[in-house]
Amino acid sequence: QQQVKQSPQSLIVQKGGISIINCAYENTAFDYFPWYQQFPGKGPALLIAIRPDVSEKKEGRFTISFNKSAKQFSLHIMDSQPGDSATYFCAARGNNFNKFYFGSGTKLNVKP
Amino acid sequence: EAGVTQFPSHSVIEKGQTVTLRCDPISGHDNLYWYRRVMGKEIKFLLHFVKESKQDESGMPNNRFLAERTGGTYSTLKVQPAELEDSGVYFCASSPRQGIGSGANVLTFGAGSRLTVL
Repeated sequence: QQQVKQSPQSLIVQKGGISIINCAYENTAFDYFPWYQQFPGKGPALLIAIRPDVSEKKEGRFTISFNKSAKQFSLHIMDSQPGDSATYFCAARGNNFNKFYFGSGTKLNVKP
Repeated sequence: EAGVTQFPSHSVIEKGQTVTLRCDPISGHDNLYWYRRVMGKEIKFLLHFVKESKQDESGMPNNRFLAERTGGTYSTLKVQPAELEDSGVYFCASSPRQGIGSGANVLTFGAGSRLTVL
């Protein structure tokens, strides 16, 4: 049973547009929600993260929106650039010894 | 600081053969994780070491998989005998010891070992 559900599977955005990736979870014990960015041939790398007591976190062009009641969170990439083209994974941490659950990934292609 | 190193980067073996994947975590990181991603699916937890001890191995698919972490440093994941469904990318990740800081929240991943079983 997949603990974190992510959509869409792939996304094509024009340069300068907004990329939005959505995730949903069921386990209310999750206490930390990171997003990872993966470029081809590399491992996933932490991009931005949020705790459930905060509704929004912004770092540069990247924003996480968190809806605790709906058990959903999303990544928004403003002014998307071709260099943002990568696979993005949402994740959630269980409260037992740092066990992380990942979504299935979204392959983002930002067209010039 | 050196990152997490995994090798081989790609292994192609036949069904029934044995493969051993190796992970060298960041020096000093007590937490070491193995994850697997089957094509197009989620990155799935396999197991978690704290130093040399297995903290959680609930994600290991079956007893054909054996993970070890010698002296709390590098780790190996052996698949014996390999089956077709074992194909995928195996990621290793490490993080510092959990403490007052939030460093333990940040997993640093290796580039992965792609396993193809024919």
